[in-house]
Amino acid sequence: DAKTTQPPSMDCAEGRAANLPCNHSTISGNEYVYWYRQIHSQGPQYIIHGLKNNETNEMASLIITEDRKSSTLILPHATLRDTAVYYCIVRVRAGGTSYGKLTFGQGTILTVHP
Amino acid sequence: GAGVSQSPSNKVTEKGKDVELRCDPISGHTALYWYRQSLGQGLEFLIYFQGNSAPDKSGLPSDRFSAERTGGSVSTLTIQRTQQEDSAVYLCASSYDGPYEQYFGPGTRLTVT
Repeated sequence: DAKTTQPPSMDCAEGRAANLPCNHSTISGNEYVYWYRQIHSQGPQYIIHGLKNNETNEMASLIITEDRKSSTLILPHATLRDTAVYYCIVRVRAGGTSYGKLTFGQGTILTVHP
Repeated sequence: GAGVSQSPSNKVTEKGKDVELRCDPISGHTALYWYRQSLGQGLEFLIYFQGNSAPDKSGLPSDRFSAERTGGSVSTLTIQRTQQEDSAVYLCASSYDGPYEQYFGPGTRLTVT
């Protein structure tokens, strides 16, 4: 599986944008980049995913570099409730139309402070 | 609509006993996954069911672990002869087939004493 590298921790002030980087230099052409987060004692929560174009939804934006070797998750106006572990995952195609498991790394602990 | 549900939410068992954990996926989702998260550890893949295909069991840590999915819906993860190192939160997720997001349940916290 393509491996990802994330900083172990980041801080962000409430109301400011949180920009979480991820390196995935060995990504292959049909592998998607996914972002999940896990708030303490809860199951992981899907945030966003993309293949090569930038994506935006109600939670966040995903910026993928042209060579696809890195990406950035942007939370435009971080709140205290965004404090969580954020996981960047490259998802391998399992076969046919199936994409199979998610392989979670250690993620980035984002702390949003007042 | 209803999300992924898991039961029980907590389970305490004695070493050597068998346990069954249940997952009800989101209706219409053809793919179902089991993961576990041990204290202070990351999320670890266990097994993946996709439609009528043979399941991907590559993440099961030993032959004491097994899972089945009946009627393409509900799934049961069984751990036989539990050991203390099996203590963890067991998470189930489901999705549509393809590169779609997985939705996770709240998990079952298993404690083996």
